[in-house]
Amino acid sequence: EIVLTQSPGTLSLSPGERVTLSCRASQSVSSSYLAWYQQKPGQAPRLLVYGASRRATGIPDRFSGSGSGTDFTLTISRLEPEDFAVYYCQQYGTSLLTFGGGTKVEIK
Amino acid sequence: QLQLQESGPGLVQPSETLSLTCTVSGDSITRGSHYWGWIRQPPGKGLEWIGSIFYTGSTYYNPSLKSRVTISVDASMSQFFLKLTSLTAADTATYYCGRHGPYYGSGTPNNWFDPWGQGTQVTVSS
Repeated sequence: EIVLTQSPGTLSLSPGERVTLSCRASQSVSSSYLAWYQQKPGQAPRLLVYGASRRATGIPDRFSGSGSGTDFTLTISRLEPEDFAVYYCQQYGTSLLTFGGGTKVEIK
Repeated sequence: QLQLQESGPGLVQPSETLSLTCTVSGDSITRGSHYWGWIRQPPGKGLEWIGSIFYTGSTYYNPSLKSRVTISVDASMSQFFLKLTSLTAADTATYYCGRHGPYYGSGTPNNWFDPWGQGTQVTVSS
């Protein structure tokens, strides 16, 4: 099982700031089969990025994903009020699909 | 527009079996272009993949739940189903269904989830 560790657990930031979220895998994620999701309270997760760096349909370009192997990053270039949420990474390089524990981005 | 909708009981007794339905609209399960999956989220916690199914009935499951899970499909009704047996309080969660990315064969596992249903909350309690 590939364990995904997200850090930090919580980030307190202000609108307009740049944020970098980390997702570290316990072993290499083949072919960068990694996705990122955003979840707001009371809502289902929403796909942001797949293939480590490909934005999903309709996702603003302030969201960008990068990384390979065991280290992946989601960057939000400039936080908008609607971006305060919990972010999860997910790997799909093995038949056992696993998610990270999430990073909460809260308003400072 | 593709939509997924979960349905089922909100309260289930311990040791009993949970049965949930995911109804798909705006796409055809029989198109054979996607797997379809179940994911759950205990209150205040993270996400756990339960298992997934293709329209042919081919399934794969999370080994940690495999002994208690059955996922099935009725493609003609655009529905797929989750059965989870021997429930305990640890199974209390919001249960989501979701569509995998495009399926091009076993060599290209596009197994992210998009979109998701709105989720259905299930409480296991007597």
